[in-house]
Order: sequence, then structure tokens, then C-alpha cells
Amino acid sequence: DILMTQSPSSLSASVGDRVTITCRASQNINRYLSWYQQKPGKAPKLLIYAASTLENGVPSRFSGSGSGTDFTLTISSLQPEDFATYYCQQRYSFGQGTVLEIK
Amino acid sequence: EVQLLESGGGLVQPGGSLRLSCAVSGFAFSTDAMSWVRQSLGKGLEWVATISASGHSTYYADSVKGRFTISRDNSNNTLSLQANSLRAEDTAIYYCATTSGSHLLLHHWGQGTLVSVSS
Repeated sequence: DILMTQSPSSLSASVGDRVTITCRASQNINRYLSWYQQKPGKAPKLLIYAASTLENGVPSRFSGSGSGTDFTLTISSLQPEDFATYYCQQRYSFGQGTVLEIK
Repeated sequence: EVQLLESGGGLVQPGGSLRLSCAVSGFAFSTDAMSWVRQSLGKGLEWVATISASGHSTYYADSVKGRFTISRDNSNNTLSLQANSLRAEDTAIYYCATTSGSHLLLHHWGQGTLVSVSS
């Protein structure tokens, strides 16, 4: 099984900051990498798939990059609604999540 | 609007069984694979099971293989998960989700149903 490891596990940032979350796969997954956002008490929401393709309706401040084993999710200018937990996914495997908190 | 509504969760004793259901509306149910994903309280996401659009192919996480059975009724737009021999570690919110493409994208999710396994 492929292991997905996210870093950091938690992150404190301020509105307007640029933040980057990393996801590393235990083996080459090409660009089979998706990102989800989950807010407390809600189901996850698909943000990005194929490493860098934005899901319909997702703000352009979100971007993804990477291929092979190393991937990043970047939020260019944090908005109040972006404080949430973010998960990467490679087919049947999820990363452990990154909690993005307000500083 | 795509809607997924889970039901069937509740409190069950270790070794017991539950049948979860997911009623789907607003899209062509028979054209997409479907999955169950669970989340222990305060923890991360865990893929549980997936069934193909036709229902002929299934996938199970090792943690539930042999105990859980995923099925679907395309005539009634319903997804099910039969969970047997339940353990304390199966306690979680169970979400159903549409599943598409080779990337297994989870586009649409239900609100989740809570399964608690405790004596």
C-alpha cells in the first residue's frame, strides 16, 4: 500500500498569508494526487485533482503542484474561510491531514 | 443539485451488525462508482469500500475485509454498507461519496452517519 505523509500536521497563519502544505507519497504516483478541505462538522470538499487541476468553483488562490512523490498545496492569500483541515489523497490512501489555524 | 443522504448509524455492541444506507438524488447514479469513507472522531479520513458503477467490482480496506459488504441498487439510487462483527475501532462517522475516474475522485459527499460500537 502507498503511504501518504503530510507536513506539517498543523500550521498557524494569518489572513493574507501565503501558506504551503506538503504531501509525500511512499512511491511514485505520477500525478494521481487530490486535495480536500474539511471544515468542522462538515464533509470534505474536493479542491484539486491530478495534482494541479482546480475543481469547478474553487477560488484561484488555491493551487497545487508536484509529480512523482512530492506535492504541494498552496494558498496564495489566506481568507477567513480557508481555516480548515486539508487532506491529500492518492486513490485509496489519505494523508493524515494538516490543520490550518488562525494565528 | 446532487444530494447524498446517509442513514442507519447508531449504537451497537461489539460483535453486532448495522446496515448503512445512502440515498442519492440529482445525478445519474448508475454511471458513477460509489464509496464509503469513515472518520473516527477527531481523526483523519479512512477509505472503507468502493463499488463500481455496475456493482460488479468492489474494493475493501484491509481493516474491514471479510466483515463489511458494499452493495448498490441502481434502480432505487441507493448505496448500502453491511457492517458485521463490529469492533470498537469501527466507531466513526461514515460518509458515502460519488467516486469517479482513475484518480477515484470523491466529488460529492453525504453529511455522514455516526456508528458507535460500545458495550
